[in-house]
Amino acid sequence: EIVMTQSPATLSVSPGERATLSCRASQSVSSNLAWYQQKSGQAPRFLIYGASIRATGIPARFSGSGSGTEFTLTISSLQSEDFAVYYCQQYNNWPLTFGGGTKVE
Amino acid sequence: EVQLVESGGGLVQPGGSLRLSCAASGFTFSNYWMSWVRQAPGKGLEWVANIGEDGSEKYYVDSVRGRFTISRDNAKNSLYLQMNSLRAEDTAVYYCARDTYRFFDYWGQGTLVTVSS
Repeated sequence: EIVMTQSPATLSVSPGERATLSCRASQSVSSNLAWYQQKSGQAPRFLIYGASIRATGIPARFSGSGSGTEFTLTISSLQSEDFAVYYCQQYNNWPLTFGGGTKVE
Repeated sequence: EVQLVESGGGLVQPGGSLRLSCAASGFTFSNYWMSWVRQAPGKGLEWVANIGEDGSEKYYVDSVRGRFTISRDNAKNSLYLQMNSLRAEDTAVYYCARDTYRFFDYWGQGTLVTVSS
């Protein structure tokens, strides 16, 4: 099983600042990496697939990068609605696995 | 508009069974893989199982294999999860998700399963 590790667990940022979230895979997942946003009490929202391709309707301030084992989600200028927990997920191997999440507060 | 609506959650005793359902609308259900993803209280996301477009392919996480069965009825645009031999560690919100090449582009609001005596 591929273990996905996200850091930091909690990221404290102010509105308008840049947020950089990291996700590391225990072995290469190529570019088969997705990101999700989850607000309290809500279902996850799909943000990015293929490590860097934004899903339909996702604002350009969200960007993803990386390949292999190291990935980054960047929020260029944090808006109030962006405070949430973010999860990465690999889909290169079975079982499909998620990281433990980064809370942006 | 894509909609996924789960139902069937509730309180069940350890060793008991429960069947979850997910009603899909707003897309051609028979053209997509579908998944169940769960989230224990205060914890992260865990993929549970998925099923191919015609139901012939199914995959499970090890912790549920042999106890849970995923199925679908394309005529009814519905996805199911039969859960047997439930354990306390199966307590979670269970989400139905549209599975597009093994990532999840649409999610339901979830249904809570609580396993407790």
